[in-house]
Amino acid sequence: AQRVTQPEKLLSVFKGAPVELKCNYSYSGSPELFWYVQYSRQRLQLLLRHISRESIKGFTADLNKGETSFHLKKPFAQEEDSAMYYCALSGLGSNYQLIWGAGTKLIIKP
Amino acid sequence: NAGVTQTPKFRVLKTGQSMTLLCAQDMNHEYMYWYRQDPGMGLRLIHYSVGEGTTAKGEVPDGYNVSRLKKQNFLLGLESAAPSQTSVYFCASQGGLAGDFNEQFFGPGTRLTVL
Repeated sequence: AQRVTQPEKLLSVFKGAPVELKCNYSYSGSPELFWYVQYSRQRLQLLLRHISRESIKGFTADLNKGETSFHLKKPFAQEEDSAMYYCALSGLGSNYQLIWGAGTKLIIKP
Repeated sequence: NAGVTQTPKFRVLKTGQSMTLLCAQDMNHEYMYWYRQDPGMGLRLIHYSVGEGTTAKGEVPDGYNVSRLKKQNFLLGLESAAPSQTSVYFCASQGGLAGDFNEQFFGPGTRLTVL
């Protein structure tokens, strides 16, 4: 079954500390993985995708096919990183629908 | 470009009332989606459309209907609202250039309360 699991509903870290938001997936084919972010009272927006291999707002995520994971990392958290983060999966070659994780609420404490 | 827009932004209904949420996109995307977002449950897909004139059920379709008469619009209807439908509703569209095809673009959301 296709599934995306974000094991932490809530993650709270201090400003300046490293952040790691976990995402594990179950998919039989070749997936495309995404991280979306939703700041307070705003719409969801794409943060990054594994195909791009880029760093956005200091965040990076590496697709680990062996561990079927796509964890989101940032070495030094900032208060403006407080938001809801969703991991999502799409099968390469499929032409619609993302499979969503339940989301992790990240709170950065001053 | 306005991207994805939703109307209304807020609405309060009484149980049993009906309403329609409108989603519009100006990106010429083929695919459109309606989600509901509830605390602790993330995003759940209600209905989706893969093109003008087509619709399909998602994960939680009961109590909702949709229509896609025009490519740019995707309507979500509640025929008889129930308190369990109190939620934030997000519309999304998808279908950009080849490399960005799987990226979904979201509207600002509609906050619905059913009393």
